[in-house]
Amino acid sequence: DAGITQSPRHKVTETGTPVTLRCHQTENHRYMYWYRQDPGHGLRLIHYSYGVKDTDKGEVSDGYSVSRSKTEDFLLTLESATSSQTSVYFCAISEGTVANYGYTFGSGTRLTVV
Amino acid sequence: AQKVTQAQTEISVVEKEDVTLDCVYETRDTTYYLFWYKQPPSGELVFLIRRNSFDEQNEISGRYSWNFQKSTSSFNFTITASQVVDSAVYFCALSEIFTGNQFYFGTGTSLTVIP
Repeated sequence: DAGITQSPRHKVTETGTPVTLRCHQTENHRYMYWYRQDPGHGLRLIHYSYGVKDTDKGEVSDGYSVSRSKTEDFLLTLESATSSQTSVYFCAISEGTVANYGYTFGSGTRLTVV
Repeated sequence: AQKVTQAQTEISVVEKEDVTLDCVYETRDTTYYLFWYKQPPSGELVFLIRRNSFDEQNEISGRYSWNFQKSTSSFNFTITASQVVDSAVYFCALSEIFTGNQFYFGTGTSLTVIP
């Protein structure tokens, strides 16, 4: 059991369309995160959640929104996809603050906006 | 300013050579954590090590070893007798105790081990 799964794994979408990526965990961890990975930038935090309905912005949150209605699910929505949002998106979970526990990452979602 | 710097963008070594991946960090906190993650060609991110700022003992795990030096703000990673399976992108990261919930990732070092 992977403990954390992302869906879809790959997606191609058109500019201007909304897109939702899903992260599902079976670990009952409190903290969940969305990162994007781009060449030359490493991983950058988009949004994170510290509990059901409790979310906060990260470094690159513009153009993204998130929702967490259940402990196990953390959704990332691109409200109107742009080509600059072509990236690999990683979800991560943490039992407590990442300083103390570190992350467990999902397998990633490769999103292409054409 | 970059909190975590991995100056080596790409490294190539021949199998069985030793290789060191450099990581330099910047923080004003006295309590912080340092991490290394591996990203093989398959794309997933794999946790390798976590080290807190009060523990400067070097760590060895099989062919992997880590050298933490607070005096130079470095947390370097050495692979001994490299193997083709070590080919991956390696990320160093910093987490400060007072920011709690954010990592600062380096931009990664891509290691290629040539058979």
